[in-house]
Amino acid sequence: GAVVSQHPSRVICKSGTSVKIECRSLDFQATTMFWYRQFPKQSLMLMATSNEGSKATYEQGVEKDKFLINHASLTLSTLTVTSAHPEDSSFYICSARDIGAVNQPQHFGDGTRLSIL
Amino acid sequence: QKEVEQDPGPLSVPEGAIVSLNCTYSNSAFQYFMWYRQYSRKGPELLMYTYSSGNKEDGRFTAQVDKSSKYISLFIRDSQPSDSATYLCAMGQGGGNKLTFGTGTQLKVEL
Repeated sequence: GAVVSQHPSRVICKSGTSVKIECRSLDFQATTMFWYRQFPKQSLMLMATSNEGSKATYEQGVEKDKFLINHASLTLSTLTVTSAHPEDSSFYICSARDIGAVNQPQHFGDGTRLSIL
Repeated sequence: QKEVEQDPGPLSVPEGAIVSLNCTYSNSAFQYFMWYRQYSRKGPELLMYTYSSGNKEDGRFTAQVDKSSKYISLFIRDSQPSDSATYLCAMGQGGGNKLTFGTGTQLKVEL
């Protein structure tokens, strides 16, 4: 149980392109999903908390106009990297927590490796 | 000082060895503690989850939490080459939301 699917797994695109990443909870509902960024050999850094039906909460230093988050349903959150540049190249990972599970851990997707040329 | 400290390794052990991985933390508000395993180019996979001080065992894995010392450990018995991965500790406050991660320890189990 508790499967989180992330798509696409790999994106290579030109500078200036906008890229959308999807995060789906497959066998549970999630009012809250989380978006992380991970650089090589470093830990996960929380970018934002995605709340179903309301605005996302961004961590300090994360540009909300650059990283657009939409959480339109209890099973889907999307992260759009707008006008991406080479410095946005990274591994983006989402996670979700079961709405019905009190004090239960987050389950992660397999990540999206984004490369901006 | 980081909220969560974890030795990045790399840690190399022979097959069958007992592995000890550790994290220390400074925020006494952390209430629940997790260990995740992350293979290269994959998302973290939950291994262990504890909500209080003490030990929790699951197969070859044992998690220990000592809140008084702000210290958590993961022990892997009879380590296998397939255990080679990066192990991340994570912890959070009440409500099960925002997590703070350690930097991860890279483990290699050699034949």
